[in-house]
Amino acid sequence: AQTVTQSQPEMSVQEAETVTLSCTYDTSESDYYLFWYKQPPSRQMILVIRQEAYKQQNATENRFSVNFQKAAKSFSLKISDSQLGDAAMYFCAYRVNYGQNFVFGPGTRLSVLP
Amino acid sequence: DTEVTQTPKHLVMGMTNKKSLKCEQHMGHRAMYWYKQKAKKPPELMFVYSYEKLSINESVPSRFSPECPNSSLLNLHLHALQPEDSALYLCASSQAGGGVIGADTQYFGPGTRLTVL
Repeated sequence: AQTVTQSQPEMSVQEAETVTLSCTYDTSESDYYLFWYKQPPSRQMILVIRQEAYKQQNATENRFSVNFQKAAKSFSLKISDSQLGDAAMYFCAYRVNYGQNFVFGPGTRLSVLP
Repeated sequence: DTEVTQTPKHLVMGMTNKKSLKCEQHMGHRAMYWYKQKAKKPPELMFVYSYEKLSINESVPSRFSPECPNSSLLNLHLHALQPEDSALYLCASSQAGGGVIGADTQYFGPGTRLTVL
C-alpha cells in the first residue's frame, strides 16, 4: 500500500524568509503524481503545486517550488519570501496514474511570524 | 473557473434527523469525491463517483448515503448519525480518466462543518 509521511508536524518561519517542508512516500508504482495542498483556517483545500513522476524537472509555481527525488521517494516543498497568508496546514498527497485514490500525509502546520 | 461549491457551510443535527449535504461543480469534471476530515487530520476518502456511477465506497457506514443526480451535482444524505460523525465534510472533483494532463488534480470545495448532537 502507498503511504505518505510528513515528519514535521509543525514548523514556523519568519516573514520574507524561506522554509522547506518535507514529504516522503512509499510506492511500488512508477507512474504517479505528487501534490502539495494548503488548508488555511478558512478550511478550503487549495492546490499549491503538482509534480508528474515521469518529469525530472522540479515543478515551480511563483514562490513555491519542489525538490523531487524519485529514487529517494522524497518530495519537499520550498516556500520563498514567506508571507503571512502562507500560514496554513500543508498536506503532501500522492496519486497513482489512472487511480482515483489520493493518499494524504498527516500534514505540517506552518506558522509565519511577522 | 476551478470552483467547487458546497452547502450548507455549517450544519447541526440531532441523531434522529435526516439531512443532506450538497456539492456542485461546473468545470465539466466527471469524477466527484466525498471526504471526511477530523480536526488536525488529513481528509479521509469516503466515496468516489466516476461518470455518475459509484466507483469507490471506502466501507462507509450505511447512515451515509451518496447520490450523484448528474455530472455536476453530488449529494450526501445523512441519517441516524452519531456524535463521532461530527467533522468537516469535503467535496472534490477532477476530470475522470487517466492519461489526460491535469486529470489527476482534485479541486476541493470549502466544506461543510457538521456537528451531531
